[in-house]
Amino acid sequence: ETGVTQTPRHLVMGMTNKKSLKCEQHLGHNAMYWYKQSAKKPLELMFVYNFKEQTENNSVPSRFSPECPNSSHLFLHLHTLQPEDSALYLCASSQVDRGGDEQYFGPGTRLTVT
Amino acid sequence: EDQVTQSPEALRLQEGESSSLNCSYTVSGLRGLFWYRQDPGKGPEFLFTLYSAGEEKEKERLKATLTKKESFLHITAPKPEDSATYLCAVLGGDDYKLSFGAGTTVTVRA
Repeated sequence: ETGVTQTPRHLVMGMTNKKSLKCEQHLGHNAMYWYKQSAKKPLELMFVYNFKEQTENNSVPSRFSPECPNSSHLFLHLHTLQPEDSALYLCASSQVDRGGDEQYFGPGTRLTVT
Repeated sequence: EDQVTQSPEALRLQEGESSSLNCSYTVSGLRGLFWYRQDPGKGPEFLFTLYSAGEEKEKERLKATLTKKESFLHITAPKPEDSATYLCAVLGGDDYKLSFGAGTTVTVRA
């Protein structure tokens, strides 16, 4: 595997379900991110993990819960979602201490909440 | 708060018809401006980073330029495979949060 991978690629879940999204980066980076992409809207940053600290976006509802067990893996745990949470969820990684700030994205998980 | 505005929202081009996309930004202490390409159903693909006004970067038919208030992505003699949504993002201050524009969707007809 190379780059940033995400599983599953597609997920349909009911409002009462619990599911998790997985992201793995194979780039040796030290920071990972979750973004939400809705139609016709800019990417919204949800969570950041870097080698120094975990940063949460205060506007993210508590039904989204991130987990970063190590620098290569990132999870997004989902529970009791709403239909408006249907979107493309993107994971990204970067190396924040080498001067290059570009983020590299995975293919995304298309989430549909019914 | 950093702000990024991209125009136009959509652009339809004939193959070979050159054009430019605009990205206007306001940011406190620009650390980098980034261009990405996104194909339908896929994640954004990194294209360029620009760090200071006057800087230019090129890749095949794409050329990105930067001023103190905006960036342009020039597409020279586009081909149908250049059809995609092009995203602009800025990084400012001392954190790691990219602020994205809504993107410009480019369609190139053969």
